[in-house]
Amino acid sequence: AQKITQTQPGMFVQEKEAVTLDCTYDTSDPSYGLFWYKQPSSGEMIFLIYQGSYDQQNATEGRYSLNFQKARKSANLVISASQLGDSAMYFCAMRDIGGGADGLTFGKGTHLIIQP
Amino acid sequence: DAGVIQSPRHEVTEMGQEVTLRCKPISGHDYLFWYRQTMMRGLELLIYFNNNVPIDDSGMPEDRFSAKMPNASFSTLKIQPSEPRDSAVYFCASREGSGSQETQYFGPGTRLLVL
Repeated sequence: AQKITQTQPGMFVQEKEAVTLDCTYDTSDPSYGLFWYKQPSSGEMIFLIYQGSYDQQNATEGRYSLNFQKARKSANLVISASQLGDSAMYFCAMRDIGGGADGLTFGKGTHLIIQP
Repeated sequence: DAGVIQSPRHEVTEMGQEVTLRCKPISGHDYLFWYRQTMMRGLELLIYFNNNVPIDDSGMPEDRFSAKMPNASFSTLKIQPSEPRDSAVYFCASREGSGSQETQYFGPGTRLLVL
C-alpha cells in the first residue's frame, strides 16, 4: 500500500528565505508519480510540481523545485525566495502507476506561514 | 479554460436530508475523481470514473454515498441520508489520460455542513 509522510505539521519562515518541506513515501511499485499541491486559506487545491520515479533530473517549476532522493524515498519541495503569498497548506501526494492506481494518496500536509 | 466547476460551493443541511454535490470536469478530460477532506482523515479518494464508467469505489464510506457520471461533462455525488460526520469539504478533480505525469486538476470544493 502507498503511504505519504509529511513530518512538519507547521513551519514559520521569514520572507525571502528558502523553504524546504519534507515528504517521504512508501511504495513497492517501481513506477510512480509524486505531486505537490498548495492549498491557500481560500480552500482550492493548486498543482505545483510533478516528479516521475524514472526521471533522472529533479523537477523545477519557477520558484519551486523538487529534491528527489529515490533511494531514501523522499521528495522534498523547495521554495526559493519565499513570499507572503506562499503562506498555505502544502500537500505531497503520490500515484502508483504500475499498480494501475489512478487516484492520489495524500500526506497530512504542512502549514507554512511566511513572516514579513 | 474554465477549470473544474463544482456546485454548490457551500451547503448546510440537517441530518437525514439528501445532499447532492455536482461537478463539471475540464472539457476533454476522461478521468473524474471525488475526494473528501476532513481534519481527522485528511484528503481521501472516494471514487473515480474513466470515460463515465466507475472504476474504483472502494473509498466510498457507506451505502449512503453514491456517485454517477451520466455523461462526460457532469457527475454527482449524493449522500442519503446525511449525517453530521459527513461534514467535510468535497473535491472533484479531473485528468486527461492515464500517463504517469498526467496531473489531476481540482475544483474549488463544496464545503458541506450537516447539522
